[in-house]
Amino acid sequence: NAGVMQNPRHLVRRRGQEARLRCSPMKGHSHVYWYRQLPEEGLKFMVYLQKENIIDESGMPKERFSAEFPKEGPSILRIQQVVRGDSAAYFCASSPLHHTESSYEQYFGPGTRLTVT
Amino acid sequence: AQSVTQLGSHVSVSEGALVLLRCNYSSSVPPYLFWYVQYPNQGLQLLLKYTSAATLVKGINGFEAEFKKSETSFHLTKPSAHMSDAAEYFCAVSEGDTGRRALTFGSGTRLQVQP
Repeated sequence: NAGVMQNPRHLVRRRGQEARLRCSPMKGHSHVYWYRQLPEEGLKFMVYLQKENIIDESGMPKERFSAEFPKEGPSILRIQQVVRGDSAAYFCASSPLHHTESSYEQYFGPGTRLTVT
Repeated sequence: AQSVTQLGSHVSVSEGALVLLRCNYSSSVPPYLFWYVQYPNQGLQLLLKYTSAATLVKGINGFEAEFKKSETSFHLTKPSAHMSDAAEYFCAVSEGDTGRRALTFGSGTRLQVQP
Protein backbone atom coordinates (compact mmCIF):
# COMPACT_ATOMS: atom_id res chain seq x y z
CA ASN A 1 0.00 0.00 0.00
CA ALA A 2 1.79 3.08 -1.24
CA GLY A 3 2.06 6.00 1.11
CA VAL A 4 1.34 9.63 0.35
CA MET A 5 3.16 10.64 -2.81
CA GLN A 6 4.39 14.13 -3.52
CA ASN A 7 6.12 15.47 -6.57
CA PRO A 8 8.38 16.99 -7.38
CA ARG A 9 10.60 16.41 -4.35
CA HIS A 10 12.64 19.49 -5.17
CA LEU A 11 11.51 22.50 -7.16
CA VAL A 12 13.50 25.58 -8.07
CA ARG A 13 11.69 28.64 -9.36
CA ARG A 14 12.78 32.18 -10.13
CA ARG A 15 10.95 35.07 -8.55
CA GLY A 16 7.71 35.74 -10.42
CA GLN A 17 7.26 32.21 -11.75
CA GLU A 18 4.52 29.79 -10.80
CA ALA A 19 5.03 26.70 -8.65
CA ARG A 20 2.74 23.66 -8.83
CA LEU A 21 3.05 21.02 -6.15
CA ARG A 22 1.26 17.70 -6.44
CA CYS A 23 0.01 15.29 -3.82
CA SER A 24 -1.54 11.85 -4.24
CA PRO A 25 -3.13 10.63 -1.00
CA MET A 26 -2.85 7.11 0.34
CA LYS A 27 -5.17 4.59 -1.26
CA GLY A 28 -8.61 4.84 0.32
CA HIS A 29 -7.98 8.30 1.78
CA SER A 30 -10.21 11.15 0.70
CA HIS A 31 -9.00 13.99 2.92
CA VAL A 32 -5.90 15.98 2.00
CA TYR A 33 -4.08 18.60 4.04
CA TRP A 34 -1.25 20.95 3.07
CA TYR A 35 1.30 22.29 5.54
CA ARG A 36 4.32 24.56 5.13
CA GLN A 37 7.55 24.22 7.08
CA LEU A 38 9.91 27.16 7.11
CA PRO A 39 13.56 26.49 8.04
CA GLU A 40 14.03 25.67 11.73
CA GLU A 41 10.28 25.89 12.39
CA GLY A 42 7.37 23.54 12.92
CA LEU A 43 4.72 22.89 10.32
CA LYS A 44 1.97 25.43 9.74
CA PHE A 45 -1.44 24.35 8.47
CA MET A 46 -2.50 25.83 5.15
CA VAL A 47 -5.59 24.10 3.78
CA TYR A 48 -7.80 21.01 4.17
CA LEU A 49 -9.63 19.55 1.19
CA GLN A 50 -11.93 16.71 0.28
CA LYS A 51 -12.60 15.72 -3.30
CA GLU A 52 -13.85 18.83 -5.16
CA ASN A 53 -14.28 20.71 -1.90
CA ILE A 54 -12.22 23.08 0.21
CA ILE A 55 -13.17 22.40 3.82
CA ASP A 56 -10.82 24.73 5.70
CA GLU A 57 -8.50 27.28 4.14
CA SER A 58 -7.89 29.33 7.26
CA GLY A 59 -4.11 28.96 6.95
CA MET A 60 -3.78 29.94 3.30
CA PRO A 61 -2.19 33.29 2.45
CA LYS A 62 -4.83 35.56 0.96
CA GLU A 63 -3.01 36.13 -2.31
CA ARG A 64 -1.08 34.03 -4.82
CA PHE A 65 -1.85 30.67 -3.15
CA SER A 66 -4.59 28.27 -4.21
CA ALA A 67 -5.35 24.59 -3.77
CA GLU A 68 -7.60 22.06 -5.42
CA PHE A 69 -8.43 18.39 -5.12
CA PRO A 70 -10.30 17.37 -8.27
CA LYS A 71 -12.53 14.35 -8.65
CA GLU A 72 -9.79 12.63 -10.61
CA GLY A 73 -6.09 13.10 -10.08
CA PRO A 74 -3.86 14.51 -7.38
CA SER A 75 -4.33 17.51 -5.16
CA ILE A 76 -2.48 20.59 -6.43
CA LEU A 77 -1.05 23.46 -4.40
CA ARG A 78 -0.39 26.38 -6.70
CA ILE A 79 1.72 29.38 -5.88
CA GLN A 80 1.65 32.22 -8.38
CA GLN A 81 4.38 34.84 -8.76
CA VAL A 82 6.64 33.22 -6.20
CA VAL A 83 8.82 35.34 -3.92
CA ARG A 84 11.90 34.39 -1.90
CA GLY A 85 9.79 34.11 1.25
CA ASP A 86 7.90 31.20 -0.32
CA SER A 87 11.03 29.04 -0.08
CA ALA A 88 10.06 26.24 2.29
CA ALA A 89 9.18 22.59 2.51
CA TYR A 90 5.56 21.91 1.64
CA PHE A 91 4.06 18.77 3.09
CA CYS A 92 0.88 17.01 2.13
CA ALA A 93 -0.95 14.66 4.47
CA SER A 94 -3.99 12.44 4.00
CA SER A 95 -6.51 10.72 6.23
CA PRO A 96 -9.40 8.32 5.73
CA LEU A 97 -13.00 9.42 5.28
CA HIS A 98 -14.87 7.54 7.95
CA HIS A 99 -15.51 9.02 11.35
CA THR A 100 -13.45 6.63 13.38
CA GLU A 101 -10.52 7.34 15.63
CA SER A 102 -8.11 6.50 12.83
CA SER A 103 -9.71 9.12 10.60
CA TYR A 104 -8.02 11.76 12.75
CA GLU A 105 -4.57 10.36 11.95
CA GLN A 106 -2.77 12.25 9.25
CA TYR A 107 -0.16 10.47 7.17
CA PHE A 108 2.48 12.68 5.65
CA GLY A 109 4.26 12.59 2.34
CA PRO A 110 8.00 13.24 1.93
CA GLY A 111 7.47 16.89 1.06
CA THR A 112 8.38 19.21 -1.78
CA ARG A 113 11.27 21.55 -1.11
CA LEU A 114 10.69 24.78 -2.97
CA THR A 115 13.60 27.12 -3.54
CA VAL A 116 12.94 30.53 -5.01
CA THR A 117 15.99 32.21 -6.53
CA ALA B 1 -7.60 28.73 19.40
CA GLN B 2 -4.95 26.15 20.05
CA SER B 3 -1.23 26.22 20.69
CA VAL B 4 1.58 23.84 21.50
CA THR B 5 4.75 24.58 23.42
CA GLN B 6 7.68 22.24 23.27
CA LEU B 7 10.19 23.06 25.98
CA GLY B 8 13.75 22.62 24.78
CA SER B 9 14.53 22.96 21.11
CA HIS B 10 17.50 20.60 21.57
CA VAL B 11 17.77 17.63 23.91
CA SER B 12 20.87 15.45 24.20
CA VAL B 13 20.93 12.07 25.94
CA SER B 14 23.35 9.19 26.13
CA GLU B 15 22.55 5.91 24.45
CA GLY B 16 20.56 3.80 26.92
CA ALA B 17 19.37 6.79 28.95
CA LEU B 18 15.78 7.91 29.47
CA VAL B 19 14.30 10.16 26.80
CA LEU B 20 11.86 12.85 27.95
CA LEU B 21 10.51 15.36 25.45
CA ARG B 22 8.10 17.93 26.86
CA CYS B 23 4.88 19.16 25.30
CA ASN B 24 2.28 21.48 26.77
CA TYR B 25 -0.84 22.44 24.90
CA SER B 26 -3.61 24.96 25.05
CA SER B 27 -7.03 24.16 23.65
CA SER B 28 -10.54 25.58 24.13
CA VAL B 29 -12.08 22.16 23.43
CA PRO B 30 -11.08 18.62 24.45
CA PRO B 31 -7.99 18.00 22.35
CA TYR B 32 -6.60 15.20 20.30
CA LEU B 33 -2.83 15.05 20.69
CA PHE B 34 -0.12 13.58 18.50
CA TRP B 35 3.61 13.03 18.43
CA TYR B 36 5.41 12.85 15.11
CA VAL B 37 9.06 12.14 14.28
CA GLN B 38 10.90 13.65 11.33
CA TYR B 39 14.20 12.33 10.02
CA PRO B 40 16.37 14.64 7.89
CA ASN B 41 14.82 15.52 4.54
CA GLN B 42 11.86 13.25 5.13
CA GLY B 43 8.19 13.63 5.95
CA LEU B 44 6.64 13.17 9.37
CA GLN B 45 5.89 9.75 10.80
CA LEU B 46 3.17 9.31 13.40
CA LEU B 47 4.58 7.93 16.66
CA LEU B 48 1.41 7.90 18.74
CA LYS B 49 -1.87 9.68 19.37
CA TYR B 50 -4.28 10.48 22.19
CA THR B 51 -7.98 10.66 21.26
CA SER B 52 -9.76 10.61 24.64
CA ALA B 53 -9.40 6.93 25.44
CA ALA B 54 -6.58 5.70 27.69
CA THR B 55 -4.45 8.54 29.05
CA LEU B 56 -1.24 6.51 28.75
CA VAL B 57 -0.61 5.90 25.09
CA LYS B 58 1.94 3.51 23.66
CA GLY B 59 3.41 4.11 20.24
CA ILE B 60 5.94 2.72 17.85
CA ASN B 61 9.66 2.25 18.55
CA GLY B 62 9.13 1.94 22.32
CA PHE B 63 7.79 5.48 22.82
CA GLU B 64 4.87 6.34 25.04
CA ALA B 65 3.15 9.51 26.22
CA GLU B 66 0.78 10.38 29.02
CA PHE B 67 -2.08 12.85 28.70
CA LYS B 68 -2.40 14.92 31.87
CA LYS B 69 -5.37 17.23 31.63
CA SER B 70 -4.63 19.02 34.91
CA GLU B 71 -1.16 19.93 33.65
CA THR B 72 -2.20 20.38 29.99
CA SER B 73 0.76 18.19 29.11
CA PHE B 74 1.51 15.31 26.76
CA HIS B 75 5.17 14.49 27.35
CA LEU B 76 6.90 11.83 25.25
CA THR B 77 9.13 9.25 26.93
CA LYS B 78 11.25 6.26 26.07
CA PRO B 79 13.04 4.25 28.77
CA SER B 80 16.25 3.64 26.84
CA ALA B 81 17.50 5.78 23.95
CA HIS B 82 18.90 4.22 20.82
CA MET B 83 21.17 5.89 18.30
CA SER B 84 18.43 5.54 15.68
CA ASP B 85 16.14 7.77 17.80
CA ALA B 86 18.15 10.83 16.80
CA ALA B 87 15.66 12.98 14.88
CA GLU B 88 13.30 15.92 15.28
CA TYR B 89 10.13 15.36 17.25
CA PHE B 90 6.94 17.38 16.90
CA CYS B 91 3.97 17.52 19.22
CA ALA B 92 0.67 18.50 17.61
CA VAL B 93 -2.90 19.19 18.73
CA SER B 94 -6.24 19.19 16.94
CA GLU B 95 -9.73 20.14 18.07
CA GLY B 96 -10.89 16.69 19.12
CA ASP B 97 -14.00 15.51 17.36
CA THR B 98 -15.30 18.97 16.44
CA GLY B 99 -14.63 18.20 12.80
CA ARG B 100 -11.88 20.77 12.45
CA ARG B 101 -8.93 18.58 11.65
CA ALA B 102 -6.09 21.03 11.14
CA LEU B 103 -3.08 20.14 13.25
CA THR B 104 -1.30 22.85 15.23
CA PHE B 105 2.34 21.91 15.67
CA GLY B 106 4.95 22.85 18.21
CA SER B 107 8.27 24.19 17.00
CA GLY B 108 9.96 20.82 17.46
CA THR B 109 12.65 19.27 19.65
CA ARG B 110 15.81 17.94 18.08
CA LEU B 111 16.98 14.82 19.92
CA GLN B 112 20.67 13.94 19.89
CA VAL B 113 21.80 10.56 21.14
CA GLN B 114 25.42 10.35 22.26
CA PRO B 115 27.26 7.02 22.11
